[in-house]
Amino acid sequence: EAGVTQFPSHSVIEKGQTVTLRCDPISGHDNLYWYRRVMGKEIKFLLHFVKESKQDESGMPNNRFLAERTGGTYSTLKVQPAELEDSGVYFCASSPGTPNTGELFFGEGSRLTVL
Amino acid sequence: GQNIDQPTEMTATEGAIVQINCTYQTSGFNGLFWYQQHAGEAPTFLSYNVLDGLEEKGRFSSFLSRSKGYSYLLLKELQMKDSASYLCAVRDPTGANNLFFGTGTRLTVIP
Repeated sequence: EAGVTQFPSHSVIEKGQTVTLRCDPISGHDNLYWYRRVMGKEIKFLLHFVKESKQDESGMPNNRFLAERTGGTYSTLKVQPAELEDSGVYFCASSPGTPNTGELFFGEGSRLTVL
Repeated sequence: GQNIDQPTEMTATEGAIVQINCTYQTSGFNGLFWYQQHAGEAPTFLSYNVLDGLEEKGRFSSFLSRSKGYSYLLLKELQMKDSASYLCAVRDPTGANNLFFGTGTRLTVIP
């Protein structure tokens, strides 16, 4: 079974440009999460989808960030326009609709560098 | 707010036992997780505690005391491959299943 996959693994852009990160969760997982780790800090929650609906987006930093999950399958996270402080590693995680322990399955992350 | 503390770095010898502590102060509690993350890889699930006590799984054990806001991860018979970051995370008590992470403890196992 394929795990959570993220693309790209690394993106380098200039301030003011746009970047779109993609996450493919484990097949059949209703829950999809985005997290971010800024250098030297802890991994922080951004938002949570249940199927195609945003369950909680309280962690989104500002309106330059837009997340979508078309058809309840893969998700995209767009940053427009990117700022220097957006640099970090963006993790996606998924979990089944009926959690047992509530374990989240993480992808390897997309590293974003804004110059 | 949520505050989760763990040591930044630890070093231990191959074959030894190491204990990584985690203290938390959160507005609620709905379970504590430990994840392992090797550099450049995805965090992977190690353990889950929701009730007080010790959960053992092979060489790894995790302990929880809810009254003290305290957990530890115990690694026995350390191997070189155990060199990684260990992340303590508390689950959002509102039921949304989100996790609040500590900054992680980078463990280096030396020969």
